[in-house]
Amino acid sequence: QKEVEQDPGPLSVPEGAIVSLNCTYSNSAFQYFMWYRQYSRKGPELLMYTYSSGNKEDGRFTAQVDKSSKYISLFIRDSQPSDSATYLCAMSIPDNAGNMLTFGGGTRLMVKP
Amino acid sequence: DAGVIQSPRHEVTEMGQEVTLRCKPISGHDYLFWYRQTMMRGLELLIYFNNNVPIDDSGMPEDRFSAKMPNASFSTLKIQPSEPRDSAVYFCASASGTTGVNSPLHFGNGTRLTVT
Repeated sequence: QKEVEQDPGPLSVPEGAIVSLNCTYSNSAFQYFMWYRQYSRKGPELLMYTYSSGNKEDGRFTAQVDKSSKYISLFIRDSQPSDSATYLCAMSIPDNAGNMLTFGGGTRLMVKP
Repeated sequence: DAGVIQSPRHEVTEMGQEVTLRCKPISGHDYLFWYRQTMMRGLELLIYFNNNVPIDDSGMPEDRFSAKMPNASFSTLKIQPSEPRDSAVYFCASASGTTGVNSPLHFGNGTRLTVT
């Protein structure tokens, strides 16, 4: 079993829909949680960054962490065709050994006009 | 800020040949990471450096893989000899430790390697 599990999709939604992307993890030591967005033939770019449990909102994007369930979510409101990309969750353990991230496999999202 | 720059963008080579991938991190970043991405295994960390020193190379799959960082602005990942199963997209990423542990990674656009 992988440390971080993510449904690969693809997830196809109409423009304007609310999108929910999710990851589950097994290591309770993870404290930092991130979402990266990766467009086709590009490198991943950081979208959202949260620490510990709770919600964080940034424009149309909301990141949610439930540490008791070892479950994180990314919600996209009013989805746009430009949101079509692969979304990777990532998480890490706080230490001084560098920025060691464990990535999920990514969920491919397609928003159709 | 030009971001992380990787070259070449595409590399096609024959099995047994040596392949060298190059990376220029963001100026001032003191961490550099090499990742490999495939459909089957996703993003895998191969090795990372801090202040040009290799810290953890436990993700390097075999002795055929080696990485160097001769200075703060340049790193290479070499595969010798290459095999078809090495075909993947290789990403370099950098980060600044001064912004705190677990500061975000900045990725390059990758090198797509095909070994025939």
